[in-house]
Amino acid sequence: SQKIEQNSEALNIQEGKTATLTCNYTNYSPAYLQWYRQDPGRGPVFLLLIRENEKEKRKERLKVTFDTTLKQSLFHITASQPADSATYLCALYNYGQNFVFGPGTRLSVLP
Amino acid sequence: EAGVVQSPRYKIIEKKQPVAFWCNPISGHNTLYWYLQNLGQGPELLIRYENEEAVDDSQLPKDRFSAERLKGVDSTLKIQPAELGDSAVYLCASSLGPNLYNEQFFGPGTRLTVL
Repeated sequence: SQKIEQNSEALNIQEGKTATLTCNYTNYSPAYLQWYRQDPGRGPVFLLLIRENEKEKRKERLKVTFDTTLKQSLFHITASQPADSATYLCALYNYGQNFVFGPGTRLSVLP
Repeated sequence: EAGVVQSPRYKIIEKKQPVAFWCNPISGHNTLYWYLQNLGQGPELLIRYENEEAVDDSQLPKDRFSAERLKGVDSTLKIQPAELGDSAVYLCASSLGPNLYNEQFFGPGTRLTVL
C-alpha cells in the first residue's frame, strides 16, 4: 500500500543545533516533493520544492535532499532558533495523481 | 496582497445538521483546493478545481459532501448531514495555475466540531 512517513511525531533539539527531519515514502513515484511549515491554528506555509532529478536544494538556513533510490527526503534547519518551532509537513506529487501530505513532525527548539 | 480567506473560522453544530464553508482564493489564482485535516495528521485532499471545473474529486465523500466554485473564484464546501467523524479542520488553498509545481497558499482553515 502507499504510505508517507515522517520521523517521530515530535523532535526536540537545542537552539543552535541542526534539526534533521525525515520523509519516507512507499509505492509512490513522485515527480517532486514539497516541504511546508504549519503553526498551531494556521494553514501550512510553503518552504521548499525539490524535483525528482535534483539532489539538493537550499534556501537560507534550510536544506532539502531527495534520494529516489532510498525513497527519502531529508529536511535540515541549521543554526535552529526557538522561532523555528512548528510542525513540518512533507508533500509529494505522485505522477498522474495529486498531492499527498505526510503526517508531519512537530519540532521544538529549546532555548 | 490579501491571502486566502476562509469563513467561518470556527463552527459547532449538532450531528445531522448541514454546514457550509466559504473560501476566497488569492486574486488571479485559477487552482483551488479543499483539504480536510485531522488532529496530528497532514491535510487530505477533498477536491481540486481548475477555474470552475472540478478536476479531481475522487476523495470527496459525495453522499454527504458537495462543493462548488462560483465563476471560478469563490468556493463553498457543504456537508449535509454532518456526522461526528466530520469534526476536523477544513483548509482551502489556491495556486496560480494548473502547473502542479506551483506552491499552494493555504487559508487559516475552519475548525468544525460536530456534537
